Amino acid sequence: EIVMTQSPATLSVSPGERATLSCRASQSVSSNLAWYQQKPGQAPRLLIYGASTRATGIPARFSGSGSGTEFTLTISSLQSEDFAVYYCQQYNNWPGTFGQGTKLEIK
Amino acid sequence: EVQLVESGGGLVQPGGSLRLSCAASGFTFSSYAMHWVRQAPGKGLEYVSAISSNGGSTYYANSVKGRFTISRDNSKNTLYLQMGSLRAEDMAVYYCCIGYEYDAFDIWGQGTMVTVSS
Repeated sequence: EIVMTQSPATLSVSPGERATLSCRASQSVSSNLAWYQQKPGQAPRLLIYGASTRATGIPARFSGSGSGTEFTLTISSLQSEDFAVYYCQQYNNWPGTFGQGTKLEIK
Repeated sequence: EVQLVESGGGLVQPGGSLRLSCAASGFTFSSYAMHWVRQAPGKGLEYVSAISSNGGSTYYANSVKGRFTISRDNSKNTLYLQMGSLRAEDMAVYYCCIGYEYDAFDIWGQGTMVTVSS
């Protein structure tokens, strides 16, 4: 089973600033990597698939990069609605394992 | 509108059983693999189980293997998760989800809560 490791566990950033979240896979997942946003009491929402492609309706301030084992989600100019928990998930191999999440909080 | 609606959650005693359902609408259910993902209170997402579009292939996380059974009825557009020998660590919100437009999970249900307690 592929293990996904996210860092940091918690990230404190001020509104308007940039946030950079990392995700590492225990073995190569090619570009089969997704990022999800989850707010309290809600189901996860897909932000990025294929490591770098935004899903329908996702604002351009969200961008993904990386391939193989190292991935990054960048949120430029944080808005109030962006403070949430973010998960990465590999879907290169079943099961589609998730990282443990990064909580993005207001500084 | 593509929609997934889970039901069947509730309070069950340790060692008990429960069957979750996920009703699908707005898409050709029989064409898609279906997945269950759970989230324990205050914890992250855990992939639980999956079933291929025709039901011929299934996957289970080690944590539920031998206790849970995933199935589907393509004539009823419904996904199921039969859960047995429930433990405290199975307590979670259970989501069904699919990769509809993409390989990643772009459609999620609202979740159904399973509470395991005496």
